[in-house]
Amino acid sequence: GDSVTQMEGPVTLSEEAFLTINCTYTATGYPSLFWYVQYPGEGLQLLLKATKADDKGSNKGFEATYRKETTSFHLEKGSVQVSDSAVYFCAAGAPAGGTSYGKLTFGQGTILTVHP
Amino acid sequence: DAGVIQSPRHEVTEMGQEVTLRCKPISGHDYLFWYRQTMMRGLELLIYFNNNVPIDDSGMPEDRFSAKMPNASFSTLKIQPSEPRDSAVYFCASTAGVDTIYFGEGSWLTVV
Repeated sequence: GDSVTQMEGPVTLSEEAFLTINCTYTATGYPSLFWYVQYPGEGLQLLLKATKADDKGSNKGFEATYRKETTSFHLEKGSVQVSDSAVYFCAAGAPAGGTSYGKLTFGQGTILTVHP
Repeated sequence: DAGVIQSPRHEVTEMGQEVTLRCKPISGHDYLFWYRQTMMRGLELLIYFNNNVPIDDSGMPEDRFSAKMPNASFSTLKIQPSEPRDSAVYFCASTAGVDTIYFGEGSWLTVV
């Protein structure tokens, strides 16, 4: 089955630092890839997504590029803020439109703490 | 849109009691998913429905767990009898199959 591996955390940064959270996947075919964010005590919110190779998803200053050759979908942000402190999950799922779309395999999550 | 609505948000129950978690998907979405989040196992898919029909329940941990979707706007996840190891956050999610997958805010279950 599919699997997703995220870099081990937690990650602690100072405000305005550059962020990278690594994510690699193993899947048959071409999965859709997602980054979700979970703030303390809240549910999962979609941060960004990409559905085919070389697509770049972006939102709120975060970016991730679907790299088929390295089976990766690393999350980056040029300048983090205290408000970005949360848990970030990488996920892989069946391609959009397929019968299994939405059946996501999640990475273990990376805790990000940003200090002023 | 109100988003995916789950209830209760928090529940504390005694071991052996029946627990019922409820979910209202986003109107028009024909896929509904139940996920469980624990510290030890992370996020796991328990079961998912398409057009109210269960498609894959291979993630349901054991017979104590059951899920139903009697209509397009309502689903339940039941645990009977509950055990302390069932303590987790249970998420419901929905999608139309070609768009973003939306999660509810979760039901935080504690079994004592």
